Amino acid sequence: AQSVAQPEDQVNVAEGNPLTVKCTYSVSGNPYLFWYVQYPNRGLQFLLKYITGDNLVKGSYGFEAEFNKSQTSFHLKKPSALVSDSALYFCAVRDGGGGSYIPTFGRGTSLIVHP
Amino acid sequence: NAGVMQNPRHLVRRRGQEARLRCSPMKGHSHVYWYRQLPEEGLKFMVYLQKENIIDESGMPKERFSAEFPKEGPSILRIQQVVRGDSAAYFCASSPLGTPTANVLTFGAGSRLTVL
Repeated sequence: AQSVAQPEDQVNVAEGNPLTVKCTYSVSGNPYLFWYVQYPNRGLQFLLKYITGDNLVKGSYGFEAEFNKSQTSFHLKKPSALVSDSALYFCAVRDGGGGSYIPTFGRGTSLIVHP
Repeated sequence: NAGVMQNPRHLVRRRGQEARLRCSPMKGHSHVYWYRQLPEEGLKFMVYLQKENIIDESGMPKERFSAEFPKEGPSILRIQQVVRGDSAAYFCASSPLGTPTANVLTFGAGSRLTVL
């Protein structure tokens, strides 16, 4: 079985400060990890993914995420937050070891960036 | 190149009625996924389909819910005899033909069902 945990329902950060949205995962095989963002009344938009290679993955809008195998984490980061980054962020995982083709999503973390 | 198109965007039904939600995947995509989003619960997988074939329906409730993806036309998620607990946002996503292993899902804007 595969699962994702996003331990924070909400993250608050001031504009210009660095932000981190946490994600931990569990899979039996190699993890394929994804971050998506959802703006109000919209569908999810892909931000970045880790399949293999460098542990630091760079994605859209200045976001990056670091894969940490020993801690089974894939935290989303951005050096300087913008008010427009305020949205709902979802981490997802799927088993790259021949398991389910279905990505499992976390519950989502609401990011609020204050001016 | 239109993205994933879902309709209707908003649907209101009374208890006991039927709801039909449609999803047209991105051009060139032949894999369709349906997810349900409830407040406080995040995104829950329902069903995964290819053309004319249900691959995985492990997330579908056993009763009242069905899905199809015919050779021609959109994928349809059908909910019969709706109850208030079916009120949610239903999202469709698609991915390209081939190994879906690492493929990114492209999501539609969702269909919001309200059951009165």
